[in-house]
Amino acid sequence: QVQLVQSGAEVKKPGASVKVSCKASGYTFTSYGISWVRQAPGQGLEWMGWISAYNGNTNYAQKLQGRVTMTTDTSTSTAYMELRSLRSDDTAVYYCARDGETEFDYWGQGTLVTVSS
Amino acid sequence: DIQLTQSPSFLSASVGDRVTITCRASQGISSYLAWYQQKPGKAPKLLIYAASTLQSGVPSRFSGSGSGTEFTLTISSLQPEDFATYYCQQLNSYPRGVTFGPGTKVDIK
Repeated sequence: QVQLVQSGAEVKKPGASVKVSCKASGYTFTSYGISWVRQAPGQGLEWMGWISAYNGNTNYAQKLQGRVTMTTDTSTSTAYMELRSLRSDDTAVYYCARDGETEFDYWGQGTLVTVSS
Repeated sequence: DIQLTQSPSFLSASVGDRVTITCRASQGISSYLAWYQQKPGKAPKLLIYAASTLQSGVPSRFSGSGSGTEFTLTISSLQPEDFATYYCQQLNSYPRGVTFGPGTKVDIK
């Protein structure tokens, strides 16, 4: 069955970087994209960006341009999201999701990133 | 950028009620709209995609309709497990762009 398993919770200081991984299984990794979505405490869902697992093309949400990088490793069917220059308002649960063009049909379990001095 | 609004933002209902949530887009998005259910501490779950296609395994009491700028999610008979927050989502193919609505929390009356 399709599964997306994310790396564990992180605590970072302001200004640091975080890299979250998302290991896919149960499907052909290069046949779908991966989108990243975050959710601040008590808030709604915010799309961060997308990466094609086929060719590595990306598109990032404008507000995160310059601070976020999404990559994939097709040899291990793993997607990565790196966010730099962390601020307190980056504290959130970060999700990866299988992006099927018209829907996000499978989601990772979420990774809590806490930014605190 | 396309903006989505949802109404109501909060809804109090009883088991067995028919519930309708509306999602409006700031410009036409054809049928590129999906609906998700999220329970506290859990990842969102896909319910409906392409405005009206029921995701495999989702109960038939959930249905979606609409196109262009106005969409609805209907729960025909609310069940105890349906109390959650519901989000609509629009998707652009190229360049890839996605927006979520602000959410509708469905609570027990």
